[in-house]
Amino acid sequence: GQQLNQSPQSMFIQEGEDVSMNCTSSSIFNTWLWYKQEPGEGPVLLIALYKAGELTSNGRLTAQFGITRKDSFLNISASIPSDVGIYFCAGTFTTGGGNKLTFGTGTQLKVEL
Amino acid sequence: EAGVAQSPRYKIIEKRQSVAFWCNPISGHATLYWYQQILGQGPKLLIQFQNNGVVDDSQLPKDRFSAERLKGVDSTLKIQPAKLEDSAVYLCASSRTGGRNTQYFGPGTRLTVL
Repeated sequence: GQQLNQSPQSMFIQEGEDVSMNCTSSSIFNTWLWYKQEPGEGPVLLIALYKAGELTSNGRLTAQFGITRKDSFLNISASIPSDVGIYFCAGTFTTGGGNKLTFGTGTQLKVEL
Repeated sequence: EAGVAQSPRYKIIEKRQSVAFWCNPISGHATLYWYQQILGQGPKLLIQFQNNGVVDDSQLPKDRFSAERLKGVDSTLKIQPAKLEDSAVYLCASSRTGGRNTQYFGPGTRLTVL
């Protein structure tokens, strides 16, 4: 099956720094999503990308859908302590009844005050 | 709008025992998903329902896992008998049908098999 590789696996940064993480796939997806998961909770959608080359922002978060449709990146500007968590990329194929998500391996972000 | 509800939140059992998880999706969401998330990994889809019909169960270990959504609303996921490698968080998600509809996740049930 499809595999999504995320890098880095974990990051330990200073508050105020910018963060960049990316996701690559062996297969093409028609949608890329970025989720954040905090301990004891399910993933929460941050940004959705629907077209190759699309660049979308959500507050301090910016994500891009790669031209090849096999990669995506997420940037977080001016990190704050509440950015701590695990960030997952996910690619989707749209089926007749819904969207089948394939998740990446996750990037754990830790922010030092 | 109430989110996806799951219970129990935690469960500890011994191997070879059986266990069941319950999910109540967001009202009006016809599509329901069960995911398995092993520690340190991303969630993996086990089964997808649309209303009370199965859309995709290709990654469900059918020799021990079963799921149902009898009335097209609540769903249960069962493991019988459990193995050590079934220790994971089991996440339920729901969405409206079709297109770009977002999946909303519940808090999950953390299962520990001893």
